Parts: sequence; structure tokens; C-alpha cells
Amino acid sequence: DIQMTQSPSTLSASVGDRVTLTCRASQSISVWLAWYQQKPGKAPKLLIYKASSLERGVPSRFSGSGSGTEFTLTISSLQPDDFATYYCQQYNSGVWTFGQGTKVEIK
Amino acid sequence: QVQLVQSGAEVKKPGASVKVSCKASGYTFTSSHMNWVRQAPGQGLEWMGIINPNGGSTSYAQKFQGRVTMTRDTSTSTFYMELSSLRSEDTAVYYCARDTSYWGQGTQVTVSS
Repeated sequence: DIQMTQSPSTLSASVGDRVTLTCRASQSISVWLAWYQQKPGKAPKLLIYKASSLERGVPSRFSGSGSGTEFTLTISSLQPDDFATYYCQQYNSGVWTFGQGTKVEIK
Repeated sequence: QVQLVQSGAEVKKPGASVKVSCKASGYTFTSSHMNWVRQAPGQGLEWMGIINPNGGSTSYAQKFQGRVTMTRDTSTSTFYMELSSLRSEDTAVYYCARDTSYWGQGTQVTVSS
């Protein structure tokens, strides 16, 4: 099975900061990677699909990049609503695998 | 618009089974597979398996093989996920998810004696 590893596990940042989250796959997944935001008690919300495509309605301060095994999610200017946990997910092979999550908290 | 509406919270005893439903609307039922994902308290997301609404073929994560059964009812546009031989570690929120974009609201399943 493909393993997904996110770093860091926790990120402390301030409003207005530029933040970058990393996700690594144990083998190549081409561009079949999604990023989700999850807040307590809520279902995950899709932000980015196919590694770099912004889901409709998601603010443009979110961007994704990467291919193969290395991927990043960047928030260009952190907003109060962005403090949450972020998950990457591969969907290359019909089997989904998620990273363990990165919690973005207020510094 | 696409909607996935799941059944309500369940409390079960160890060893019992639970069946969670996911009613789909706003799209052609047979056009998209349905995935099931769970999330234990304070933990990450865990994929359980997928069902093809055309014919009902399934693929399960190895961890759940033998304990999970995914089915669908085309007459009511509803998907089901049944998990048997429940243990305390199965306490989690269970989600149905049609591709990456559309998720149900989640169903809390609590396993407790």
C-alpha cells in the first residue's frame, strides 16, 4: 500500500503568515493528490485536487504543487478561518490513503 | 446539487454489528463509486473501501476484510456500510464520500458495554 507522510505534525503561525505544508508518498502517485481542511466536528472539505487544481469556491490564497512523491500546500496569507487540520490524500490506485494530518494553530 | 445524507448516531455493544446508510441525491446514482472513510476520536482519516453502484462490486481495505460489507439499493439511491464484530476501537465517525469533492455529514458510532 502507498503510505503518505505529512510534515510538520503541528505548525504554529500568525495571521498573515505564509505557510507551507508538505506531503510525501512512498511511491509515485503522479498528480493524484488531494488536500483537505477539517475543522472539529465537521467533514473534511476539499481544497485542492489533482495536486494543483483549486476546488471551486476555495479562496485563491490556497495553492498546491508537486508531482510524483513530493507535494506541498501553501497558504499565502493565513486568515483566522484557516486554523484547522489539513490532510493530504492519494487516490492513484482506486485505494485511498491519507496522511496523518498537519494541525495549523495560532502562534 | 449533490447531497449525501447519512443516518443518525448509533451506540452498540461489543460484538454487535452496525449498518450506516448514505442517501445520495443530485446526481445519477450509478455514475459514481462510493467510498467509506472513518475517523476515530482525535485521529486521522482511514479509508475502509469502495463500492461500484453498477453491479455492486466492492473493494475493501485489508484491515476490514471479513468484517465490512458495503451494499447499495438502486431503488432508493442509498448506500450502506455494515461493520460486524464491533470492538471499542471501532468507535469513530463514519463518512461516505463520492470522489474527493462530496462527503456525507458523518455518522457517529460508539461501541461501549
